[in-house]
Amino acid sequence: DVKVTQSSRYLVKRTGEKVFLECVQDMDHENMFWYRQDPGLGLRLIYFSYDVKMKEKGDIPEGYSVSREKKERFSLILESASTNQTSMYLCASRPGQGTFYGYTFGSGTRLTVV
Amino acid sequence: AQRVTQPEKLLSVFKGAPVELKCNYSYSGSPELFWYVQYSRQRLQLLLRHISRESIKGFTADLNKGETSFHLKKPFAQEEDSAMYYCALRKGSSNTGKLIFGQGTTLQVKP
Repeated sequence: DVKVTQSSRYLVKRTGEKVFLECVQDMDHENMFWYRQDPGLGLRLIYFSYDVKMKEKGDIPEGYSVSREKKERFSLILESASTNQTSMYLCASRPGQGTFYGYTFGSGTRLTVV
Repeated sequence: AQRVTQPEKLLSVFKGAPVELKCNYSYSGSPELFWYVQYSRQRLQLLLRHISRESIKGFTADLNKGETSFHLKKPFAQEEDSAMYYCALRKGSSNTGKLIFGQGTTLQVKP
């Protein structure tokens, strides 16, 4: 009963490539988030979206952009991949209304930029 | 600025020993705090929330506003508790709030 699906578990890309990381949720959640997870740094918020076609920068947006054309899909784009973007990327979603119950996370995409 | 600090990268204990994973925060508003856990090869998942005042898998966490802490405790560690633990703070309203995470602590429970 997978709720948040990230399309790739592992990716290897070359420096300078444009990279798309896809995330789909089937819970009709309004809010979606992209984090990167690095040892010793925890999870850092890259971008988030409160609704379709809406996006806001998180704490480390440089070098990234996002797209949310449909409610269930939130894409993270690395315009020109660099080696310092090698990381684990986590997508999460949550409902937009009511009590804050926390996020549902995807299983992550481990991206290596060579 | 809002911040969550987990001072220990690694905490190693023997099975049956008490466990305390430390979390300190800085936040000017009324904080809402969470503990998340990531077992090996599994997704990050919510362990507990401070407003629920619940015990999950034997873990508890009490919000201490005076010390700005939200330490995670368990009286008797089990090997299956070995995992990465993250403390998180909600920033913003309940509808639009974002989570700020600490650096994470790896708990290793030895047999």
